[in-house]
Amino acid sequence: DARVTQTPRDKVTEMGQEVTMRCQPILGHNTVFWYRQTMMQGLELLAYFRNRAPLDDSGMPKDRFSAEMPDATLATLKIQPSEPRDSAVYFCASGLGTGLEAFFGQGTRLTVV
Amino acid sequence: AQSVAQPEDQVNVAEGNPLTVKCTYSVSGNPYLFWYVQYPNRGLQFLLKYITGDNLVKGSYGFEAEFNKSQTSFHLKKPSALVSDSALYFCAVSLNSGNTPLVFGKGTRLSVIA
Repeated sequence: DARVTQTPRDKVTEMGQEVTMRCQPILGHNTVFWYRQTMMQGLELLAYFRNRAPLDDSGMPKDRFSAEMPDATLATLKIQPSEPRDSAVYFCASGLGTGLEAFFGQGTRLTVV
Repeated sequence: AQSVAQPEDQVNVAEGNPLTVKCTYSVSGNPYLFWYVQYPNRGLQFLLKYITGDNLVKGSYGFEAEFNKSQTSFHLKKPSALVSDSALYFCAVSLNSGNTPLVFGKGTRLSVIA
């Protein structure tokens, strides 16, 4: 059963610390998305990649967030330094095209205290 | 830019009754439309999509949605609700060029009461 795998599932960290979230997309999917979910803002697109190349990261605060795909089986989202307002659930999703259905991982719940 | 509106934060329905979760969209072009469901502490699960063709789309778990171009709507429906359908439902849209990522609505919480 193919699925998107995200680690860790939960992360509690102190303000100022670096946080790295990892995602293994479904094998064969060429598009990877990072979304953030909060009660206030709902689901926000942070960044997405096609064939490992970043296409748009305009949804991310550039000064502290960075997203990469070191290889086709791994996508990372890094926050440095983290702030309490970054507390949210971060979802990775993958798909076969930018505008087609995306398949979501179970998310990383980040709490910055 | 595309956008999605889900006008109801919460929908309550009795088990066995039909349910509707509303969605309207705005795009400068022809849309691809999607519905997703999210259960507690889980990721979003794809339910169904409209790309082209028949305006009535059938999806998982007995759900269906009707694309209405004149009303720019894509409401999610089910003839008979189950308690297990209680979850958060998201409508999403992208342009049919396939080159824009999905934009999601804020979600509608469905509560099915036994």
